[in-house]
Amino acid sequence: DQQVKQNSPSLSVQEGRISILNCDYTNSMFDYFLWYKKYPAEGPTFLISISSIKDKNEDGRFTVFLNKSAKHLSLHIVPSQPGDSAVYFCAASANTGGFKTIFGAGTRLFVKA
Amino acid sequence: EPEVTQTPSHQVTQMGQEVILRCVPISNHLYFYWYRQILGQKVEFLVSFYNNEISEKSEIFDDQFSVERPDGSNFTLKIRSTKLEDSAMYFCASYQGSHYNEQFFGPGTRLTVL
Repeated sequence: DQQVKQNSPSLSVQEGRISILNCDYTNSMFDYFLWYKKYPAEGPTFLISISSIKDKNEDGRFTVFLNKSAKHLSLHIVPSQPGDSAVYFCAASANTGGFKTIFGAGTRLFVKA
Repeated sequence: EPEVTQTPSHQVTQMGQEVILRCVPISNHLYFYWYRQILGQKVEFLVSFYNNEISEKSEIFDDQFSVERPDGSNFTLKIRSTKLEDSAMYFCASYQGSHYNEQFFGPGTRLTVL
């Protein structure tokens, strides 16, 4: 099941700079897109989401951009902080009755001090 | 802040044994989920539960799996006859039902099948 793809397994960024995490999807039925952050030995933590009717959603240092025609979304973190180091999962859901969420493989972000 | 809790944090069992993983979702949430993550792989959807019945399930969720909400607070996942390949982290999640499908996840139960 490759409906949600994160092609970069890892990303390293200097503290204070921008982190850009990318995600592609194949299913046109997805209507919500979400980013989750995960630390080792913990469950995923919701970070930010966007509806398919929007192209941008911002929450503090985190902004998600959606390009529906390209079936692509990205998460921007500005400025990056060492505490942002974690695995970031892109996820998507469709209103198929149960709102199941399909996750990408994750990108491990390292923010260097 | 309300949170999803899961017990136990780690379960070790012998192949062929039954296990029950327990979750307490957030109290005013309406949708409940189980996901699993095999070591080094992606988080995979297993099942969603709404209004006391399964609303969706994946191909992974075969006859060996069942879910139940036996009372107003607990949500359980039962695996009837565990296999080695069932070894994974199992995450419970809940969703209020009204905002961008923001699912809240529990800390997970690590299941090890020997």
